Amino acid sequence: AQKVTQAQTEISVVEKEDVTLDCVYETRDTTYYLFWYKQPPSGELVFLIRRNSFDEQNEISGRYSWNFQKSTSSFNFTITASQVVDSAVYFCALRGTGGGNKLTFGTGTQLKVEL
Amino acid sequence: GAGVSQSPSNKVTEKGKDVELRCDPISGHTALYWYRQRLGQGLEFLIYFQGNSAPDKSGLPSDRFSAERTGESVSTLTIQRTQQEDSAVYLCASSLATSGRAQYFGPGTRLLVL
Repeated sequence: AQKVTQAQTEISVVEKEDVTLDCVYETRDTTYYLFWYKQPPSGELVFLIRRNSFDEQNEISGRYSWNFQKSTSSFNFTITASQVVDSAVYFCALRGTGGGNKLTFGTGTQLKVEL
Repeated sequence: GAGVSQSPSNKVTEKGKDVELRCDPISGHTALYWYRQRLGQGLEFLIYFQGNSAPDKSGLPSDRFSAERTGESVSTLTIQRTQQEDSAVYLCASSLATSGRAQYFGPGTRLLVL
């Protein structure tokens, strides 16, 4: 069975603060893929990043960075210098090779960035 | 290019009625997925199509739910004899066939069963 846990239900920060969203996953597959999606108030899920299990390099894209650690089964997402437009629900998802092509989603973290 | 589109964007129906939800995937994406998102919750997988075949239907909650895909393009999710617990946002996604590719989501259909 596959499982994704996002323990933080809601986070509130003040603009320009850095914030890290946690994601812990469980899978028995040796090959798997991890994803982050953003769901703004409009409701449409926006793909942010995909990482495969063989690539543990951290990635930075502008103010976004991702830290993948297989040793702790974590794939955390950091937003640097947060902005009000970052306010959204963020979902972490897992696709294994044993469970077909479906994504297993965490329950999401609601991020509120205030002025 | 055009993204995934879904129609209708909102649907209100009475308990017991049938509803059809439509998804138009990104052109060239052979894989298509349906998910359900209940209010304030994560996404639940319903069904996956590769081409016009559905190798994984494991998420369909009951035999009232069915889906089909034609022409390796449009897909329709049908819910028969709707119940109030079917109220949710139904999201469609598509991807290239290659393993592990990102799934791109449509805006969803918000279904309310009264």
